[in-house]
Amino acid sequence: DQQVKQNSPSLSVQEGRISILNCDYTNSMFDYFLWYKKYPAEGPTFLISISSIKDKNEDGRFTVFLNKSAKHLSLHIVPSQPGDSAVYFCAAINDKVIFGPGTSLSVIP
Amino acid sequence: DTGVSQDPRHKITKRGQNVTFRCDPISEHNRLYWYRQTLGQGPEFLTYFQNEAQLEKSRLLSDRFSAERPKGSFSTLEIQRTEQGDSAMYLCASKPGQGVNSPLHFGNGTRLTVT
Repeated sequence: DQQVKQNSPSLSVQEGRISILNCDYTNSMFDYFLWYKKYPAEGPTFLISISSIKDKNEDGRFTVFLNKSAKHLSLHIVPSQPGDSAVYFCAAINDKVIFGPGTSLSVIP
Repeated sequence: DTGVSQDPRHKITKRGQNVTFRCDPISEHNRLYWYRQTLGQGPEFLTYFQNEAQLEKSRLLSDRFSAERPKGSFSTLEIQRTEQGDSAMYLCASKPGQGVNSPLHFGNGTRLTVT
């Protein structure tokens, strides 16, 4: 049973435009969410997080939105840059970190 | 902070052989995690340690897998009698013991290929 879902395996966006990556979760007990970014041949790198008591957290070009009633979160990247091309994992913390399957983002120059 | 270090980066082995991977966490981090990642999937939790104590093991961790962290510093993950289905990227991560919501810091992984 996949508790964290990312239903879009891939996404292509033009440089300068907004990238929106989506994530759904099933366990209402999750109270903290994270986004990781992964380049090929490297480990995942922490990007941004959000607590369940908030609905938005912003860090530079990256903003995470949380809709608890819908059990949905999204990562917005604006403006998108070619260096943002990577696999993005949504993750939730129970007593351990549970990852979604990832979305591969391609930012086209 | 030299980051989480994993060795080796790549390992190719024949089915039935034993392999051992090493992870050196960030020095002040009490918690150490092992994850496995296959193509098209996110990292899957295998086990974690608080200092030298192994606190949880996933049902993914069959009895052919064993992990240790004898002195609460580095950790090893051993796979006995490897099978082709063990081929994956094995990721180690660490984080401070306090702050349950602090993010994991990952190493660059060990890619295992079982032929």
